[in-house]
Amino acid sequence: DAGVTQSPTHLIKTRGQQVTLRCSPKSGHDTVSWYQQALGQGPQFIFQYYEEEERQRGNFPDRFSGHQFPNYSSELNVNALLLGDSALYLCASSLAQRFGELFFGEGSRLTVL
Amino acid sequence: KNEVEQSPQNLTAQEGEFITINCSYSVGISALHWLQQHPGGGIVSLFMLSSGKKKHGRLIATINIQEKHSSLHITASHPRDSAVYICAVLTMDSNYQLIWGAGTKLIIKP
Repeated sequence: DAGVTQSPTHLIKTRGQQVTLRCSPKSGHDTVSWYQQALGQGPQFIFQYYEEEERQRGNFPDRFSGHQFPNYSSELNVNALLLGDSALYLCASSLAQRFGELFFGEGSRLTVL
Repeated sequence: KNEVEQSPQNLTAQEGEFITINCSYSVGISALHWLQQHPGGGIVSLFMLSSGKKKHGRLIATINIQEKHSSLHITASHPRDSAVYICAVLTMDSNYQLIWGAGTKLIIKP
């Protein structure tokens, strides 16, 4: 049983570019949450997707957008990249009806130059 | 004041020692997570607690809902236990996002 898988694991972009990060949740999970973790900091909640809709959003600008597909996989898109967007982006999956059980991916490390 | 506070912030111990990491929170919660993060790596959920005590191998987690306090214990610590341990809670107001503690950096020396 595959856990949460994220891709790519590492990527480098330049300021102003756009990036798409992908997450496949654990088999049977229907809810995906995205977190941003800057170096030396704790994770910050970006948003959560359930039933292909954004259910809740943290304090992130509209440059951060997402999508959930019918197979429950999810994408995180960041437009007009800034140097401060450099971080580890973590995806967590869960089952909506059993909130609390979370499984995390290994993360996608984004470096913006 | 942070809603979730952990102590200590840093902990260095010798292999074999009994380790305790504490977490206190000030909000009503529906669940509390203990998570482990190795340097540069992803996060692994160790325990999810809403009451009582859980044990997995050398790890034990307890929670006291009345006192709003949880502890993570590691018995017979080993250098491979070196990591950042994070306490995070799901509040009663929002079941959708975790409120994270600052983490405890644990180093176990051989």
